Amino acid sequence: GAVVSQHPSWVICKSGTSVKIECRSLDFQATTMFWYRQFPKQSLMLMATSNEGSKATYEQGVEKDKFLINHASLTLSTLTVTSAHPEDSSFYICSATIRGRPQGAQYFGPGTRLLVL
Amino acid sequence: DAKTTQPNSMESNEEEPVHLPCNHSTISGTDYIHWYRQLPSQGPEYVIHGLTSNVNNRMASLAIAEDRKSSTLILHRATLRDAAVYYCILRDRRYTGFQKLVFGTGTRLLVSP
Repeated sequence: GAVVSQHPSWVICKSGTSVKIECRSLDFQATTMFWYRQFPKQSLMLMATSNEGSKATYEQGVEKDKFLINHASLTLSTLTVTSAHPEDSSFYICSATIRGRPQGAQYFGPGTRLLVL
Repeated sequence: DAKTTQPNSMESNEEEPVHLPCNHSTISGTDYIHWYRQLPSQGPEYVIHGLTSNVNNRMASLAIAEDRKSSTLILHRATLRDAAVYYCILRDRRYTGFQKLVFGTGTRLLVSP
C-alpha cells in the first residue's frame, strides 16, 4: 500500500513553455504532499509543502509564481513550472504522508525528469 | 533541525551484512530516527524508523545506541538491488504529517557481486 504515482515520468520542453507535473496517491488519502527537486549528484531539496484546499508553503528561495502548486483533492497535487528555462532542468519528486501511519513517514513518487532546451 | 552525519560511501559484497552508521549527537528527546533510501533514478523509499528501541522490519534492522547519539541501519544480506543512497533523517515526533524531511548527502552503498 501507500503508492504514489507521478506523470509524466519525463518531459522535454522548449525554453519559455510551461510544464505541469501530476502527483497522485493511488491507494490512500494524503494528509500532506511535498514537492522536491534534485539536481544531478545532489541531495533532494524541498520546494514546497501543500495541504488539500489550502495554499502551498514554499521554502525560502523558491519562487511561488514560477512553481505553481495546486492541491485540489486528497489524492492529487500538481506542480506547474511556468516559463521554464534550462536551469529548471532537474528531477522533480513528490511525496505524501498519511496521518498517523507510521509516525510521519513520507511516501515518494518515482519522480519526473524535466529537460528544458 | 538536529543534524546527522553519515559516511559518503560504503562498499559491500553481495550476500554479506551491511552496517550503515549515522551520528546524531544533537538529537533531542522528541526526535524519531528515520531511514530512507533512493535507488538510481527513482524517488526515495521509506526503510525504517525508531525512537529508542531497536527495530526490525522486512527490509532492515535499526540499532539505536543507548544514548541515542548514533544509530546503525543493518541490511542482513546485501543484494545488488540494495545499491542506493541511504539517508538518515531526524523527525520531531511532536509533529505528524506536516513536518518536512531535510535530506543530507546520505551514504552511497555500492554492492559488488
